[in-house]
Amino acid sequence: EAGVTQFPSHSVIEKGQTVTLRCDPISGHDNLYWYRRVMGKEIKFLLHFVKESKQDESGMPNNRFLAERTGGTYSTLKVQPAELEDSGVYFCASSQAGGELFFGEGSRLTVL
Amino acid sequence: KNEVEQSPQNLTAQEGEFITINCSYSVGISALHWLQQHPGGGIVSLFMLSSGKKKHGRLIATINIQEKHSSLHITASHPRDSAVYICAVPTRINYGGSQGNLIFGKGTKLSVKP
Repeated sequence: EAGVTQFPSHSVIEKGQTVTLRCDPISGHDNLYWYRRVMGKEIKFLLHFVKESKQDESGMPNNRFLAERTGGTYSTLKVQPAELEDSGVYFCASSQAGGELFFGEGSRLTVL
Repeated sequence: KNEVEQSPQNLTAQEGEFITINCSYSVGISALHWLQQHPGGGIVSLFMLSSGKKKHGRLIATINIQEKHSSLHITASHPRDSAVYICAVPTRINYGGSQGNLIFGKGTKLSVKP
């Protein structure tokens, strides 16, 4: 069975542009999480979906970040417009209720 | 809000050595996670534990709920164990329903020399 997949693995954009990151969770996992690791810092929680609903988006940095999970399957995280400080690695993870977390390989975002 | 402290930040060991990484947190929790981040960047969940001890191969994780402390041990360490080990706990006590709303430690970078 496929694990959590993320796309793209690496994106390089200029300040002011838009980027959309995608996460495909493990089939049947209702919980989907986004995290971010900025260089030199610890990983930070961004938000949590249960199926298509946002359960907790307290970690979203600002309104330039928009996450969706239409149909409760894959999720997208859009950054618009991107700023230099958005550079980092964005991780996605999925789980069944109360179960083990399965992480994707991450999407590295570089904003120039 | 919970706070997580890991030690040491960096650890260099010789192959075969017994390794211990420590994690302390400030607020009572339902479960604690140990994660491994490989040099390539991918993250793997090693353990999720709420009490006592868990063992998987050469890895052992223990937790003391009263002392709010957990340790990750690696026996007979090997160069392939070189990675960043991260401790993570829920953002607040008794968070309903999910384990993934986590606060992460800064990680312990382990390097095992042959």
